[in-house]
Amino acid sequence: AQTVTQSQPEMSVQEAETVTLSCTYDTSESNYYLFWYKQPPSRQMILVIRQEAYKQQNATENRFSVNFQKAAKSFSLKISDSQLGDTAMYFCAFIPRRQTSGSRLTFGEGTQLTVNP
Amino acid sequence: EPEVTQTPSHQVTQMGQEVILRCVPISNHLYFYWYRQILGQKVEFLVSFYNNEISEKSEIFDDQFSVERPDGSNFTLKIRSTKLEDSAMYFCASRREYQETQYFGPGTRLLVL
Repeated sequence: AQTVTQSQPEMSVQEAETVTLSCTYDTSESNYYLFWYKQPPSRQMILVIRQEAYKQQNATENRFSVNFQKAAKSFSLKISDSQLGDTAMYFCAFIPRRQTSGSRLTFGEGTQLTVNP
Repeated sequence: EPEVTQTPSHQVTQMGQEVILRCVPISNHLYFYWYRQILGQKVEFLVSFYNNEISEKSEIFDDQFSVERPDGSNFTLKIRSTKLEDSAMYFCASRREYQETQYFGPGTRLLVL
């Protein structure tokens, strides 16, 4: 079974600053995907960024980037130039890459990020 | 850009009543999922569905739950006899074949009184 841990229940950052959200995971799988999802107050789940474990290059998506350390089983999210609209709950999630269908996402507990003006 | 849609956005029901939550996955997606999120807690997997049958279900998904794809577009979650602890946000998600990224709908907020 997989577990995902987010050890920071809450974080805050000043607008235009950079913030890093932490995530660690535990798995015996050798190939998998990692995701960060954002959940604003509307509670919709929005995909922010994804990383394929077999790719060494860290994924980037505009102001969002990850630091993927496979050996350490760590997957942190860096948000640069924070904007007020980045205020949300951020969930780290894991899914194994399998041939069989229906693999489930395993989510962490979430980190509530507040961007202050 | 195609999106997963869910109806209703909010539902209030009495304990013991049946509810049906509806989802329209993205049209070329073949894998469908239901997740739930009790207020203040993490998102939990309920069930996955592929090729008109359940492919995986969690321990939460007991006999009071069922899923169905009644036509070519809708994907439903039925809770037969709701309990107070079923109050949660229910998310539908879908993905394409050979891709692992799941796209979520906006959720249905269910309140059981």
